[in-house]
Amino acid sequence: GQNIDQPTEMTATEGAIVQINCTYQTSGFNGLFWYQQHAGEAPTFLSYNVLDGLEEKGRFSSFLSRSKGYSYLLLKELQMKDSASYLCAVRVLSGNTPLVFGKGTRLSVIA
Amino acid sequence: DADVTQTPRNRITKTGKRIMLECSQTKGHDRMYWYRQDPGLGLRLIYYSFDVKDINKGEISDGYSVSRQAQAKFSLSLESAIPNQTALYFCATSDRGTEPLQETQYFGPGTRLLVL
Repeated sequence: GQNIDQPTEMTATEGAIVQINCTYQTSGFNGLFWYQQHAGEAPTFLSYNVLDGLEEKGRFSSFLSRSKGYSYLLLKELQMKDSASYLCAVRVLSGNTPLVFGKGTRLSVIA
Repeated sequence: DADVTQTPRNRITKTGKRIMLECSQTKGHDRMYWYRQDPGLGLRLIYYSFDVKDINKGEISDGYSVSRQAQAKFSLSLESAIPNQTALYFCATSDRGTEPLQETQYFGPGTRLLVL
């Protein structure tokens, strides 16, 4: 089976940095996606990693270590609007299977 | 206009009723998906379709059926609704490609379903 683990909830302070971890044990690996989902709204694509290392996109960065089956999403200069759930998803095989989603991490940003 | 639309956005129905949720997309994507989301359980895949003649069961297909009427349309039916099908339902689309990033999924706004 496919298994993706993320913490259920996290809390961080406005202006701070927070790291959301994702570990995966899957039958294959061909890329990892991060999505943001505000309460009651659709998930929206944030970032993508297929090679080891850090991908930076403004205040958001995502890191991947394929040998460890591990990724994290780093959010800097937190803003209240960053309060949302963050979903990790793995592309297990190339081309012919849907993404496998983790259950998501609900981040609360407090003043 | 939104690229992925879902109708209705909210629906209340009674146990035993048949209902249909509809999804349309203007992104020109081949691939379409139906998910349900429940608190604490994340997104769970119900059915997916990689082209008009292709239908595949997902993780939780029991009690659901789908129809891919055209490249742009993918409908989800609950043949006889039951209360534990109360959930938020999302449709999503993705492109077909050799590059993983091409398979980024784009989600519709969701349909909130309540079965009494």
